[in-house]
Amino acid sequence: KAGVTQTPRYLIKTRGQQVTLSCSPISGHRSVSWYQQTPGQGLQFLFEYFSETQRNKGNFPGRFSGRQFSNSRSEMNVSTLELGDSALYLCASSQGLGLAAFFGQGTRLTVV
Amino acid sequence: DQQVKQNSPSLSVQEGRISILNCDYTNSMFDYFLWYKKYPAEGPTFLISISSIKDKNEDGRFTVFLNKSAKHLSLHIVPSQPGDSAVYFCAALTTSGTYKYIFGTGTRLKVLA
Repeated sequence: KAGVTQTPRYLIKTRGQQVTLSCSPISGHRSVSWYQQTPGQGLQFLFEYFSETQRNKGNFPGRFSGRQFSNSRSEMNVSTLELGDSALYLCASSQGLGLAAFFGQGTRLTVV
Repeated sequence: DQQVKQNSPSLSVQEGRISILNCDYTNSMFDYFLWYKKYPAEGPTFLISISSIKDKNEDGRFTVFLNKSAKHLSLHIVPSQPGDSAVYFCAALTTSGTYKYIFGTGTRLKVLA
């Protein structure tokens, strides 16, 4: 069974641009959640989607948004990029809300 | 407000000995806890979990202990192996609310050969 796939693996953007990250969950998993990891901050929850609906949202500004498609694939969008948005963005999928999540390898975003 | 804390940023252990990683939480509503292992440039890998109705869960070399009264959980790795060297994150979840995982900041474990 294929794991969680995130694309692209690496991305360099300039301030003010926008970016879209993609996540394909494990087959059969309906819940997809997104996290931001920065040095010293651990993993900070962005949002979670289940059956195309956003169920939970973390404490991030509105520049961070996401969506989930009918095949459970999810995208995360960050608009008006700031230098502080440079981080590893991780996607995780699980069979249902609250169950153990399996992570992808992440997308390393660098904003210059 | 850090609801899940891993107060030791790093830990070094000799190969073959026990590694004990600790995690404290503040929210008594958390009822499900997980440990993840993370290598550089990779996503976290799920290791082991425990429900709040239990105080111990064991899986091979990994055992998680939960002390609800102290709001403390720990991960024991016995015996420790060099391949266990990684960053370990604990995570907490409340299944009766928003199902949001709260992660600690991680402990870097180094197992010395």
